[in-house]
Amino acid sequence: EVVLTQSPGTLSLSPGERATLSCRASQTVLSNYLAWYQQKPGQAPRLLIYGASFRATGVPDRFSGSGSGTDFTLTISRLEPEDFSVYYCQQYGDSQPYTFGQGTKLDIK
Amino acid sequence: EVQLVESGGGLVQPGRSLRLSCVASGFTFEDYAMHWVRQVPGKGLEWVSRISWNNSAGYADSVKGRFTIFRDNAKNSLYLQMNSLRPDDTALYFCAKTGYSYGLNAHFDYWGQGTLVTVSS
Repeated sequence: EVVLTQSPGTLSLSPGERATLSCRASQTVLSNYLAWYQQKPGQAPRLLIYGASFRATGVPDRFSGSGSGTDFTLTISRLEPEDFSVYYCQQYGDSQPYTFGQGTKLDIK
Repeated sequence: EVQLVESGGGLVQPGRSLRLSCVASGFTFEDYAMHWVRQVPGKGLEWVSRISWNNSAGYADSVKGRFTIFRDNAKNSLYLQMNSLRPDDTALYFCAKTGYSYGLNAHFDYWGQGTLVTVSS
């Protein structure tokens, strides 16, 4: 099983700042099949990034994904008020099982 | 517009059964693998089960032997039959669609709003 560890657990920043979220895998993520999701309270997760670096339809270009192998990053270039929520990474290269990171909460400072 | 609508959740006693449903619309349902993912309120996401376009099923170890996933393409519906329920199965259950047709190694591009299952005596 591929274990994903996200850091930090909580990130406190101000609107307009840059956010860098990390996701580290316990083994190589096959074909960089790594996704990032945003989840706001009371809502379902929303796909942001897939294939480590491809933005999903409708996702603002301030969101970007990078990385390969075992180390992946989600960057939000300039935080907007609506960006403060919880972010999860997920690997889908190993389909048994698919695994999620434990999440990073992005807080308003 | 893609829509996924779950139903079937509720309060159930330990050891009993429950069947969740997810009705899909806005895409060719039979061409896509589908998943169930659960979330204990206030906690993280846990993948539960998947079914491929051609009915190959997979399960998390935590539910293997107790849960069964199946689909009815004629009704554009996904199901999760949950037997021998335990208190630690208490969670919000989401259905999710894969991002590529005919693939298992795909991200989850659309999610339903979830249905809450509470297992308690």
